[in-house]
Amino acid sequence: EPEVTQTPSHQVTQMGQEVILRCVPISNHLYFYWYRQILGQKVEFLVSFYNNEISEKSEIFDDQFSVERPDGSNFTLKIRSTKLEDSAMYFCASNDRDHYGYTFGSGTRLTVV
Amino acid sequence: KNEVEQSPQNLTAQEGEFITINCSYSVGISALHWLQQHPGGGIVSLFMLSSGKKKHGRLIATINIQEKHSSLHITASHPRDSAVYICAVRSGTDKLIFGTGTRLQVFP
Repeated sequence: EPEVTQTPSHQVTQMGQEVILRCVPISNHLYFYWYRQILGQKVEFLVSFYNNEISEKSEIFDDQFSVERPDGSNFTLKIRSTKLEDSAMYFCASNDRDHYGYTFGSGTRLTVV
Repeated sequence: KNEVEQSPQNLTAQEGEFITINCSYSVGISALHWLQQHPGGGIVSLFMLSSGKKKHGRLIATINIQEKHSSLHITASHPRDSAVYICAVRSGTDKLIFGTGTRLQVFP
């Protein structure tokens, strides 16, 4: 069964450092998303991406965040200057044209120290 | 107030019991998802519903659009069903709005 692949599974970074979280969505999917889950809290939407541009972003997705689809397969989330409160599990997801194939990756656990 | 509410927050059952998890939402939706999250953290999609009822193995999901309510049922529960079950709705745009989840523990 097709999968959304995220790397790394766990990343520890110093406060103030830049991190890039990587995702390979399902190959024929057109819609891409990043969500995050702070420990003990519910999953929150960050950003959606379609046709090589951001289609929607939440209040959380401020200027320190950016997304990119640098080639035909990868979808990345960059956090420019990490803060302690960015520590969370980050999930990538992708969806097909008809929105029937919403699929999540296994997540990247980001720890900012 | 949360747009998506789940109950109960925690649920303990004996193996073999019939389990029901409820989800109520306050916004107009185009679809509702039931998701499963295991202790490792990964999220697996169980169902996507826009009306009626769906069944997959021992899992049944129903939705009542007029009442803005959905239920997830597990028949003949098993310890391997232990996980967090999450209701999420798609409203307006294609982002998902998540509930807080129901933590289920099934004991042998």
